[in-house]
Amino acid sequence: QVQLQESGPGLVKPSGTLSLTCAVSGGSISSSNWWSWVRQPPGKGLEWIGEIYHSGSTNYNPSLKSRVTISVDKSKNQFSLKLSSVTAADTAVYYCARVRDGVMDVWGKGTTVTVSS
Amino acid sequence: SYELTQPPSVSVSPGQTARITCSGDALPKQYAYWYQQKPGQAPVLVIYKDSERPSGIPERFSGSSSGTTVTLTISGVQAEDEADYYCQSADSSGTYGVFGTGTKVTVL
Repeated sequence: QVQLQESGPGLVKPSGTLSLTCAVSGGSISSSNWWSWVRQPPGKGLEWIGEIYHSGSTNYNPSLKSRVTISVDKSKNQFSLKLSSVTAADTAVYYCARVRDGVMDVWGKGTTVTVSS
Repeated sequence: SYELTQPPSVSVSPGQTARITCSGDALPKQYAYWYQQKPGQAPVLVIYKDSERPSGIPERFSGSSSGTTVTLTISGVQAEDEADYYCQSADSSGTYGVFGTGTKVTVL
């Protein structure tokens, strides 16, 4: 049974870069799935950030595209999110999820990132 | 960018039927998915490909599609169904994903 676990700093300074990793266990990141990032600001709705295939192909939210990079590390069976030039508006719970045939069917528990000096 | 619109809230008495709509121009071309989210928890898939129900999801959850609107129906609502519900789909070219604005279901 595939499980996902997000990790990374819980506090990032304004104008800095947010970096998170999602570790995949119980399955291979090289399987025929996409792997995605979703975030949820406090008290607000879900926002789709982007996704990556094990080949390295990516799709990004147009509103975040200039600041987002998603990468995959097959040797460690994990994928990562980098979001640059962060502001308080990037404060959120960040989730990683597996996308199988269009469905986000497995989610991590989420990790809270606060942007503050 | 592309948007999916949902009503902010729906209130329903136990045993009654709740209907949540999601509107978007690309919905005739792209499948919709529905997620249930309870406070402090990650979202859980309740409907996929407009109307398919994953295993383990109660039969009272159903989905339908008509033109630019998809609908999640919860028949015989139970107290445990109180949650936020989000539709999710993709833009017309399938390039990127998008979530709906979310609907809070309150069981009176």
